[in-house]
Amino acid sequence: NAGVTQTPKFQVLKTGQSMTLQCAQDMNHEYMSWYRQDPGMGLRLIHYSVGAGITDQGEVPNGYNVSRSTTEDFPLRLLSAAPSQTSVYFCASRSGDTQYFGPGTRLTVL
Amino acid sequence: KQEVTQIPAALSVPEGENLVLNCSFTDSAIYNLQWFRQDPGKGLTSLLLIQSSQREQTSGRLNASLDKSSGRSTLYIAASQPGDSATYLCAVMTTDSWGKFQFGAGTQVVVTP
Repeated sequence: NAGVTQTPKFQVLKTGQSMTLQCAQDMNHEYMSWYRQDPGMGLRLIHYSVGAGITDQGEVPNGYNVSRSTTEDFPLRLLSAAPSQTSVYFCASRSGDTQYFGPGTRLTVL
Repeated sequence: KQEVTQIPAALSVPEGENLVLNCSFTDSAIYNLQWFRQDPGKGLTSLLLIQSSQREQTSGRLNASLDKSSGRSTLYIAASQPGDSATYLCAVMTTDSWGKFQFGAGTQVVVTP
């Protein structure tokens, strides 16, 4: 049981490039979410999904896309990276009231 | 909009002292409150979850209290150890945003031997 896994661990992009952050969970959780964490700020919700085929926006969705084709996977796409998207990104899945977090992806946009 | 504040942002204590971490929130209509631990370069680990109907939760050396009317929660860690060094975050789920957590910025704790 690997829990929540994220790839890559680190990524450097140039402004305007696109990329996909991968997230997978093997706990059969319906609810999954993406957060970003910036210095001095709490985690902020980007997008979330309550099941395969269903996604919705969180607090800071601009510049990000998501899709949920399977229960296990919830990728986050940056369409055209900007320096303001430099952050640490966390994926989480939830069972009841308990959230399980992945180890994070540290993204730098130059 | 719910706002969650954690003060202080950083705290250093000698080993053996009790730790007291504070979390305040502006909207008392909460569903639950959760305390997390984050180690450097790692994800978050859930420590304690308090439902809105509860006043406190305990797990080993950890005790979390909840006072909805004053918009406060306190995490107590008894007899601190160097291994308790980490960042501690609280997160609140409000009743009108079920499933979504609002996080505080965290308190970075250093326990010195």
